[in-house]
Amino acid sequence: EDQVTQSPEALRLQEGESSSLNCSYTVSGLRGLFWYRQDPGKGPEFLFTLYSAGEEKEKERLKATLTKKESFLHITAPKPEDSATYLCAAANNAGNMLTFGGGTRLMVKP
Amino acid sequence: DSGVTQTPKHLITATGQRVTLRCSPRSGDLSVYWYQQSLDQGLQFLIQYYNGEERAKGNILERFSAQQFPDLHSELNLSSLELGDSALYFCASSVDGGVTGELFFGEGSRLTVL
Repeated sequence: EDQVTQSPEALRLQEGESSSLNCSYTVSGLRGLFWYRQDPGKGPEFLFTLYSAGEEKEKERLKATLTKKESFLHITAPKPEDSATYLCAAANNAGNMLTFGGGTRLMVKP
Repeated sequence: DSGVTQTPKHLITATGQRVTLRCSPRSGDLSVYWYQQSLDQGLQFLIQYYNGEERAKGNILERFSAQQFPDLHSELNLSSLELGDSALYFCASSVDGGVTGELFFGEGSRLTVL
């Protein structure tokens, strides 16, 4: 059974304080690793897809990286508007179903 | 705005009742997915339809059923409701059947079972 685990569950940062979110996955035949952002009361919003170990994707202050067992979402000099829950998901080669992790709730204080 | 519309936004009902949640995908998207999000279980995949046909099934209870109509909108039917069915139900759509993992989520239907 595919499993995705995210840590930490919650993270408080000061504005400008860089950090990383972790996503560990156990998937039989990884087809892709995906990052989403979810604001309170909203549906998840797609951020990145990573397909193979060593791949990196960037968007503004966010950079996602992938190894054979983990993915990291690096947040550089975060701003309060980056506060949200960040979800990691994985898909295996058997189908298109995404298995989501529990998410990391990020709070950035001004 | 993702372009995915879900109704109703909030629903309060009693145990044993039946409800129907509706989803209109983004224009042009052929795939519709249903997910359940609760505090203790996170985001759980229920079912996927592609152009009217069931494509994949996840942890969907037998009391739940779904369908996708010719105009591509989808409905999720929940019956014999239990307290534990209280959750946020999300619909998502994609143009490519989910190959790229880029799903567009609606804002969800919050179901409260009393």
